[in-house]
Amino acid sequence: EVQLVESGGGLVQPGGTLRLSCAASGFTLSDRYMDWVRQAPGKGLEWVGRTENKDRSYTTQYAASVKGRFTISRDDSKNSMYLHMNSLQSGDTAVYYCVRGYFGMDVWGQGTTVTVSS
Amino acid sequence: IQMTQSPSSLSAFVGDRVTMICRASQDITIGLAWFQQKPGKAPRPLIYDASSLNSGVPSKFSGSGSGTDFTLTITSLQPEDSATYYCLQYRDYPFTFGPGTKVDFK
Repeated sequence: EVQLVESGGGLVQPGGTLRLSCAASGFTLSDRYMDWVRQAPGKGLEWVGRTENKDRSYTTQYAASVKGRFTISRDDSKNSMYLHMNSLQSGDTAVYYCVRGYFGMDVWGQGTTVTVSS
Repeated sequence: IQMTQSPSSLSAFVGDRVTMICRASQDITIGLAWFQQKPGKAPRPLIYDASSLNSGVPSKFSGSGSGTDFTLTITSLQPEDSATYYCLQYRDYPFTFGPGTKVDFK
């Protein structure tokens, strides 16, 4: 069964850092483009960033709102992807979803909640 | 690329056929997907490449359009179709979602 499981969310102070993890099963992560999408409380969906696949040298792209603060990485040996978040702001409070970028965005994790507050 | 959706909400009867619109601020060819989201749940993929059904999605859902104007149609509306529907353009970075159309029942 194809599955994505996020972890690493929690409460962090403004200006702090956090690393989210996404563990993939049922497919080989390195073959696929992967995305992070977030949803602030009561708001719509916002694309955060993408890492392209091995054939595309894992090129990354980011939304303007997170560029320079967030970094996407992978560990193929663990079939996992990560979202490294720095200089966190209250506006980054959201549920963060790990998504497979195949046939559009065809597989979503259950999400992990990040709360930025003092 | 800015995405707009209309209406922002709609109310329908069980059994109705409903159509919602997604518009892009520039040509995205067929780089458009549709998602269904219920409260507290992750989005469910419905349509990719404007008109192709994602795996396991019933044929009551259909998508059409290309360029800047797209539609999602749901036939024989059922109570479990009550949700918010989002479109996404993935033709160009940065990808952008529409603000959503909320579907409920009269």
